Formats: sequence, C-alpha cells, structure tokens
Amino acid sequence: QSVLTQPPSASGTPGQRVTISCSGSSSNIGSNYVYWYQQLPGTAPKLLIYRNNQRPSGVPDRFSGSKSGTSASLAISGLRSEDEADYYCAAWDDSLSAVVFGGGTKLTVL
Amino acid sequence: QITLKESGPTLVKPTQTLTLTCTFSGFSLSTSGVGVGWIRQPPGKALEWLALIYWDGDKRYSPSLKSRLTITKDTSKNQVVLTMTNMDPVDTATYYCVHDGSNWVGFDYWGQGTLVTVSS
Repeated sequence: QSVLTQPPSASGTPGQRVTISCSGSSSNIGSNYVYWYQQLPGTAPKLLIYRNNQRPSGVPDRFSGSKSGTSASLAISGLRSEDEADYYCAAWDDSLSAVVFGGGTKLTVL
Repeated sequence: QITLKESGPTLVKPTQTLTLTCTFSGFSLSTSGVGVGWIRQPPGKALEWLALIYWDGDKRYSPSLKSRLTITKDTSKNQVVLTMTNMDPVDTATYYCVHDGSNWVGFDYWGQGTLVTVSS
C-alpha cells in the first residue's frame, strides 16, 4: 500500500492528452514538492518533473506537472507511442521523514 | 557528465547481509546540497525509497527498514555503500543508486540498477 495514490493504469491514442493523478496528504504533497519519474520498459526511471512543475533539460514541453492542495497531476499532450511507460509520483513526507512514492501508473498508447 | 553504477552480489541467502556499492563520477559528494541515495524495485512492483546520505554526512532512512539499513560514504573514492541485514526473499529487487541534486531538483540521475535475488 503506497502512501501516494495513483491509478494503476491510463491510456490514450496518439495525439491525445492524458492526465495521471497522484493523491496524498498534508504531510507530503500538501507541504512539499512533487516529483514525477518515467520508467520505460526494462530501463531505470528518469526524472520527468521536479518542484511540482519544472522540466529538466531535454524533457519535451508535452509533459507538464501541477499541484493543488494534497493532489498533483501529470499531463501529457500530443501523446506518442514512445510515451508508453510506467509513471511514478514522489514527495517528501514530513510525518514519516521519508521519501514516498506512488504505486505507479502504467500508460498504454492505443 | 554524471554517472552512477551499482555493484554487489546478485544472489544472497536468507538471513545474510547485503552490501551494495555505488561508484559515481561527474560530481563530488562534498558539494553543498548534494546527496546520494538508494531506491529499490521488486520485480513488477513499485519503487521504494531506502536511504539517503548528504554531503554533510546527514543520513535518512526508510522508517520501515531503518533497523536493517546502514548508508555510508567515502568521498575520496566517490563511493556510497548500503548494507541491509537479515535479507529475506521479499527483498528480491532491482536496487538503484541515485543522485539527489541540490535545490530540490529530485533524483536527477540514476544508475542502471542491479538485480539482487534472495534465495537459499
């Protein structure tokens, strides 16, 4: 049981916009930055979004992050086949004094 | 450029102690704000954060595993070592070493990961 809650799966067709949610609490998302990681099949995760909505160099602007209260979202616009991957949200949790991850969302491009 | 690489045994027996080494390049663990950590992922399951050590020696551990984990650094060798005692088959996972950049940039660099299987 993950501290952050994500839907186990999401899907979309090429060109569509999809969003993935991440729900937490006041001790994690509510008071700290949210991060998103993309894990392509058979590879190590990669940082996709940091500090709620910032993209590292090289990450396309099709990817965007947002946060409101104790929830966060990752949006992917202009969906492409190469976006098919697992996506994880993460945040620091003040009560646990630990980094917490969501359970991951498997994105399928139909 | 920043690289990290994990090394250690691929197979350990139940009750044994696991020792993993992360050897990195492209940054110094004496630079203010920088940290190196460990994250694991059981086959087909989600990521789980284990531990972090910072440039100033500050250490953070997963509360659920704290009693079994020790993280240390050797700045001169550019290495971070994680030990986990009393290994169990449920600890079978890919273990990743990560760079925690300063200014809240997150785990911006990852090692390739090393699969550790716990079996007798």
